[in-house]
Amino acid sequence: GAVVSQHPSRVICKSGTSVKIECRSLDFQATTMFWYRQFPKKSLMLMATSNEGSKATYEQGVEKDKFLINHASLTLSTLTVTSAHPEDSSFYICSATRGEVRFFGPGTRLTVL
Amino acid sequence: AQSVSQHNHHVILSEAASLELGCNYSYGGTVNLFWYVQYPGQHLQLLLKYFSGDPLVKGIKGFEAEFIKSKFSFNLRKPSVQWSDTAEYFCAVKPNAGNMLTFGGGTRLMVKP
Repeated sequence: GAVVSQHPSRVICKSGTSVKIECRSLDFQATTMFWYRQFPKKSLMLMATSNEGSKATYEQGVEKDKFLINHASLTLSTLTVTSAHPEDSSFYICSATRGEVRFFGPGTRLTVL
Repeated sequence: AQSVSQHNHHVILSEAASLELGCNYSYGGTVNLFWYVQYPGQHLQLLLKYFSGDPLVKGIKGFEAEFIKSKFSFNLRKPSVQWSDTAEYFCAVKPNAGNMLTFGGGTRLMVKP
C-alpha cells in the first residue's frame, strides 16, 4: 500500500496566487523528505531536501523564496509555490525514505492559469 | 556528483518479447541502485534495488537487474513482457553514504498486445 501521500492531487490556480502542497509519510517518521518536479516526458528533478526542524536545502537554480518548504513534524512536509506563474505548472512529487528505500507520493499536478 | 544515463528513451515491444533496458551511472564510490516504474497516471513504484551481495537481483512482476560493477551498469530485464508492463521506467543511483538519489532520464516502454 501507499506509504507516502500527497494532497491535493490536482490544483488549478490563477497567476499570482500561492498554492500549498502537503506530503505525509504514513505509519513512519521521516526526518528528511524530498521534493521533486517532473516535466512532461522528462525525468524527476530534485528541487529541495526538507529537514524536520531545520531549513530546507535547495538545489542549484531553485528559488527558495518562491518554493517555500516547511517540515514541521516527522510526518508532514509542505511545499508552497508562492506567486505562481504559468511556468510553474508542473507535476510535483514528494518522497520519503523508509529504511533504505525511497518511497514516492502520487504527485500533485499544478496548473497555473 | 553522480549521474545516470538511460540510453533507450522509447521502446516498443510485442507481448512475449524479451526486454532489456540499459542503465549506466558514473560515481567513484559505492552506490545503491534502483529501478522504479511509473504506470500511466500512477506514482513511482519501486521495482527492485541493489545494495550489496548477489549482483543479480530479482524484483516484482518478473523483473530482474544485474549490477556489473566494471561496466557501471545496472540493466533491467524481463524474459517475456506483457501489455500491462507498458509504463515509464527510471533507473536511480544513490551513494551508499549520502541522501542524493539521482534519476536517469527514463525509458518509455510500450507493449503492443
